[in-house]
Amino acid sequence: DIVMTQSPDSLAVSLGERATINCKSSQSVLYSSNNKNYLAWYQQKPGQPPKLFIYWASTRESGVPDRFSGSGSGTDFTLTISSLQAEDVAVYYCHQYYSTPYTFGQGTKLEIK
Amino acid sequence: QVQLQESGPGLVKPSETLSLTCTVSGGSISSYYWSWIRQPPGKGLEWIGYIYYSGSTNYNPSLMSRVTISVDTSKNQFSLKLNSVTAADTAVYYCARVSGSYTKAYNIDYWGQGTLVTVYS
Repeated sequence: DIVMTQSPDSLAVSLGERATINCKSSQSVLYSSNNKNYLAWYQQKPGQPPKLFIYWASTRESGVPDRFSGSGSGTDFTLTISSLQAEDVAVYYCHQYYSTPYTFGQGTKLEIK
Repeated sequence: QVQLQESGPGLVKPSETLSLTCTVSGGSISSYYWSWIRQPPGKGLEWIGYIYYSGSTNYNPSLMSRVTISVDTSKNQFSLKLNSVTAADTAVYYCARVSGSYTKAYNIDYWGQGTLVTVYS
């Protein structure tokens, strides 16, 4: 199984400041035949299902604000929120779909400082 | 926009079988993969498995001996059965759509609201 490890487990950032969440996979999720990273990011708010924010490591889902961006390749990935808004408070999960069993990071809880 | 809705008992006794159904609306169940994921209260996400609309399946090895996922294209539904449940199977169960091609499943894109299943004695 590919183990996904996020850091930090929790993060407090001031409104308007940058938030950065890291995700590391135990093996590469870069598929050489198409040069795509099989890595997604989800946002989950209390009592709600996860919502897809980023796929292919850096492609924003339709409707996701452009303050959210994904980067990285191979085994190291980052989700960046350029200017934190109050509505961004949530738990964020990275997810690899390179191979089964699909796996998720343990989650990073993002709060307002 | 596609919508998914889980249905089934919220309480299951130990050693019995958990059965859930996901009804897909706003789109056809054809040409996609369909998945079940669970989340114990206060914890992270665990992928259970997925099924292609044609019926081929892929399960998490940690649950494979107890899981069956099936699809009914005529009803636009797919289902989960998990047998011999214990308290460790208490979780919110989500059904979800998986994007992909005929040869490869990709990311999970749409999720149901989830349903809490509690295993109690």
